[in-house]
Amino acid sequence: EVQLVESGGGLVKPGGSLRLSCAASGFTFSSYSMNWVRQAPGKGLEWVSSISSSNGYVHYADSVKGRFTISRDNAKNSLYLQMNSLRVEDTAVYYCARERILLFDPWGQGTLVTVSS
Amino acid sequence: DIQMTQSPSSLSASVGDRVTITCRASQGIGNDLGWYQQKPGKAPKRLIYGASSLQSGVPSRFSGSGSGTEFTLTISSLQPEDFAIYYCLQHNDYPRTFGQGTKVEIK
Repeated sequence: EVQLVESGGGLVKPGGSLRLSCAASGFTFSSYSMNWVRQAPGKGLEWVSSISSSNGYVHYADSVKGRFTISRDNAKNSLYLQMNSLRVEDTAVYYCARERILLFDPWGQGTLVTVSS
Repeated sequence: DIQMTQSPSSLSASVGDRVTITCRASQGIGNDLGWYQQKPGKAPKRLIYGASSLQSGVPSRFSGSGSGTEFTLTISSLQPEDFAIYYCLQHNDYPRTFGQGTKVEIK
């Protein structure tokens, strides 16, 4: 079964850091680009970042550029999101998603990040 | 950045109704558009890719059309399990951008 499982969310103070992980199973992880998407409480979906299959290319939303870093370890079938200088407005459920041709599928179940003093 | 404008933001419909949701791109994106369904507390689920290709396992009452800047998602006969929020997503360029979402509610 193709599966993505996020972890690492939690409560952090403004200005703090957090590292999210996404464990992949059931497919050849190294063959796919991967993405992080977030959803603030009661709001819509916001794409955050993408990384190509071989770490060659990364992309970020302007809202996180310079603060967040996406990375992957293909040997461990894992995707990461290092989040620094966190702001209240970064509070959201963070999903990882595999990118197939013109499609995000599957998605993980999400991990909640709460930034609050 | 490519802006995706989705309409309506919400609609009320009855079981059996035909429902149409529209997404407009601020510039041409070819067929690089997907549609997703999200139910409360759950991750989004893929429905359509490449603007009109139905993802495996998705009921045939769902269909997508359009290209360039104008796209539609149609549910031909709304079922109780279809009440959810629907999003479009453009895959043409970075940053990837979602529409604002359309909440389909029971009338």
